[in-house]
Amino acid sequence: EVQLVESGGGLVQPGGSLRLSCAASGFIFSSHSMNWVRQAPGKGLEWVSYISSSSTAIYYADSVKGRFTISRDNAKHSLDLQMNSLRAEDTAVYYCARVHGGSMDVWGKGTSVTVSS
Amino acid sequence: SYVLTQPPSVSVAPGKTARITCGGNNIGSKSVHWHQQKPGQAPVLVIYYDSDRPSGIPERFSGSNSGNTATLTISRVEAGDEADYYCQVWDSSSDHPYVFGTGTKVTVL
Repeated sequence: EVQLVESGGGLVQPGGSLRLSCAASGFIFSSHSMNWVRQAPGKGLEWVSYISSSSTAIYYADSVKGRFTISRDNAKHSLDLQMNSLRAEDTAVYYCARVHGGSMDVWGKGTSVTVSS
Repeated sequence: SYVLTQPPSVSVAPGKTARITCGGNNIGSKSVHWHQQKPGQAPVLVIYYDSDRPSGIPERFSGSNSGNTATLTISRVEAGDEADYYCQVWDSSSDHPYVFGTGTKVTVL
């Protein structure tokens, strides 16, 4: 079964750091680009970051550029998102999603991040 | 960056047809994908490349794309179709390549 499982969310103070992980299974992870997408409470979906299959291409939304770092380990079938200098507006459920052409065809269940003092 | 505009809400009676629009500048020149999100759940891809359906998605879901508007059509609407729907495009010319629409809440009356 194709599956993505996020972990690492939690409560963090403003200015703090958190590292999210996404464990992939059931498909050839190294053949797929990956995305992180987030959803603030009561809001729509917001694309956060993209990484190509071999990590040669990486993009970030303006809202997180310079603070977040995406990475992957194809040998471990894992995707990470290092989040630094967190702000209240980063509070959201974070999803990892498999890229399929220009779409995202497999989504994890998400991990919740709350930035609050 | 590229902007996609959707109506905030669409209401439809069971058995009828719901049409959800997604507006963008010359969106017909791009491939449009649609994601369904039920309350408390992760999104699910229901249409990709304008009109293709992933396996397991009912034929009642269809899509079209032309000019400045893409449309997701849900025929013979069921109570279980009540959800938020997001259009999404990949803008290959941008370093912010993935863009989501504003989302549409479909309510089954």
